[in-house]
Amino acid sequence: DAGVTQSPTHLIKTRGQQVTLRCSPKSGHDTVSWYQQALGQGPQFIFQYYEEEERQRGNFPDRFSGHQFPNYSSELNVNALLLGDSALYLCASSLGGAGDRVAYNEQFFGPGTRLTVL
Amino acid sequence: GQNIDQPTEMTATEGAIVQINCTYQTSGFNGLFWYQQHAGEAPTFLSYNVLDGLEEKGRFSSFLSRSKGYSYLLLKELQMKDSASYLCAAVDSNYQLIWGAGTKLIIKP
Repeated sequence: DAGVTQSPTHLIKTRGQQVTLRCSPKSGHDTVSWYQQALGQGPQFIFQYYEEEERQRGNFPDRFSGHQFPNYSSELNVNALLLGDSALYLCASSLGGAGDRVAYNEQFFGPGTRLTVL
Repeated sequence: GQNIDQPTEMTATEGAIVQINCTYQTSGFNGLFWYQQHAGEAPTFLSYNVLDGLEEKGRFSSFLSRSKGYSYLLLKELQMKDSASYLCAAVDSNYQLIWGAGTKLIIKP
């Protein structure tokens, strides 16, 4: 049973560029959450997707956008990259459902994508 | 504002017991998670508490006091592989996870 997978593992971009990160959830999971984790810090919630819609959003600018596909996989897009966007981007999947919330469902994290913005 | 506080770093000896504390201030509360994260790896789930009290799971136990806004993670019979960061995350009224910065636990032989 495959766990959560993310691609690419590492990525180097320059300021102003755009990046797309990808995530495939654990088999049977339908909810995907994205987090940004700066070095030495805890993860910061970006947004959560369920049934191809953004269900929750953290305090991140509109430069951060996402998408969920019918097979529950997800993409995170970041436009106009800033140096401060350099971080580990984590994807977490869980089993959601109508009315369910992150709180009650254990999230399984992928290995992350290390983004470096130069 | 919402805030999670936990010590930055702790050191303990192999075979000993260590308690990692976490205090939280959130707008509403819907439970608290503990995750373990080894360097360069993804966080892995350890526990979830929503009711007051102690929950034991093998060598790891987690405690919650909602009235005090306080939780701790207790690790017994420490092993070298327990060297990692331990992240505390509280769930607010919007069901969003508010994460602490993590406690780096160093285990010495």
